[in-house]
Amino acid sequence: EIVLTQSLGTLSLSPGERATLSCRASQSVSSNYLAWYQQKPGQAPRLLIYGASSRATGIPDRFSGSGSGTDFTLTISRLEPEDFAVYYCQQYGSSPYTFGQGTKVEIK
Amino acid sequence: QVQLVQSGAEVKKPGASMKVSCKASGYTFSDYQMHWVRQAPGQGLEWMGRINPKSGGTIYAQKFQGRVTLTRDTSVNTAYMELSRLTSDDTAVYYCVKEGVDGHWGQGTLVTVSS
Repeated sequence: EIVLTQSLGTLSLSPGERATLSCRASQSVSSNYLAWYQQKPGQAPRLLIYGASSRATGIPDRFSGSGSGTDFTLTISRLEPEDFAVYYCQQYGSSPYTFGQGTKVEIK
Repeated sequence: QVQLVQSGAEVKKPGASMKVSCKASGYTFSDYQMHWVRQAPGQGLEWMGRINPKSGGTIYAQKFQGRVTLTRDTSVNTAYMELSRLTSDDTAVYYCVKEGVDGHWGQGTLVTVSS
């Protein structure tokens, strides 16, 4: 089983700042099948990025994904008020399709 | 538009079984695998397994092997997740998730296991 580690539990930033979230895999993620999700309280997760770097439909271009192999990054170029939420990475290259434990981006 | 509508909240006793449904619309049900993910209160996301609606083939996370059964009824475009031998640790919101880059999730079903 691939273990995904999101090293930051909480990231405290101000609106307009840049957010950089990391996700490290215990072994290489097949075909860079790595997704990022955003979740707000009481809501289902929302797909932001798939294939490590492709934005899902309707996702603003301030969200970008990068990385390959075992190290992946989600960058939010300029935080908007609605971006304060919890972010999860998920690998879907090999079963079980594991999630990271999440990083909360909170208002500083 | 794609919609995944799940069955309502349930309260179950320890040792019982639960079955959650997920009715799909707005796309060809058989063409996309359906995954199930759960989230315990205040916790992260946990992948449980997935079903191929066309073949009925399933893959389960090792943690749930022997306790979870994913099925589907293509005549009504509905996927089902059944979990047996419930304990309080199974208290969670359960989601169905359509595979694909459009990222559609059901609204979630809260299952509470309590004596």
